[in-house]
Amino acid sequence: GQSLEQPSEVTAVEGAIVQINCTYQTSGFYGLSWYQQHDGGAPTFLSYNALDGLEETGRFSSFLSRSDSYGYLLLQELQMKDSASYFCAVEGSGGFKTIFGAGTRLFVKA
Amino acid sequence: EAGVTQFPSHSVIEKGQTVTLRCDPISGHDNLYWYRRVMGKEIKFLLHFVKESKQDESGMPNNRFLAERTGGTYSTLKVQPAELEDSGVYFCASSQDGTERSFGNGTRLTVT
Repeated sequence: GQSLEQPSEVTAVEGAIVQINCTYQTSGFYGLSWYQQHDGGAPTFLSYNALDGLEETGRFSSFLSRSDSYGYLLLQELQMKDSASYFCAVEGSGGFKTIFGAGTRLFVKA
Repeated sequence: EAGVTQFPSHSVIEKGQTVTLRCDPISGHDNLYWYRRVMGKEIKFLLHFVKESKQDESGMPNNRFLAERTGGTYSTLKVQPAELEDSGVYFCASSQDGTERSFGNGTRLTVT
């Protein structure tokens, strides 16, 4: 079967750093994406990793290890507005059939 | 540039009725996807268009769901007849290269 595992909830304080992990088991792998979704809004693309290593975009970084079938999203200098759900997604077999994780709900406290 | 737009934003229908959801992708995006999120669970893939062709429709739950993309522009997703378990948020996304996807705000469908 195909599955993605990520924590259901994470709580952190403003200004802190938080890491959201994602492990996957899929048939075929083309890349790992991360999306942010605020309540009632559209998922917003954050990052895409096709190769091993760290990709940095401002306060957000994403890491991939294909040998470990593992990736993470790192959020630095947390702000209240970062409170949202974060989904990891694998581009699996065929390259375009995206499989999403169940999402991690991030709560940022003052 | 305009983003992905979906219509309607909300729809409440009775079991057995028909509903048609519309998605207008970002202009120039050949790839168009439909997804569904039920009761706060994971976002599930429904199908993928490349221009007007269905590239992958393996996620469509059953034959009550019909998606079309005439002319390779906007797409419609029809549910006929609707059942209670079809309630959820239906997202459309488009992409130029298949990696970064832009999502619409979704259509919240409630079947009573």
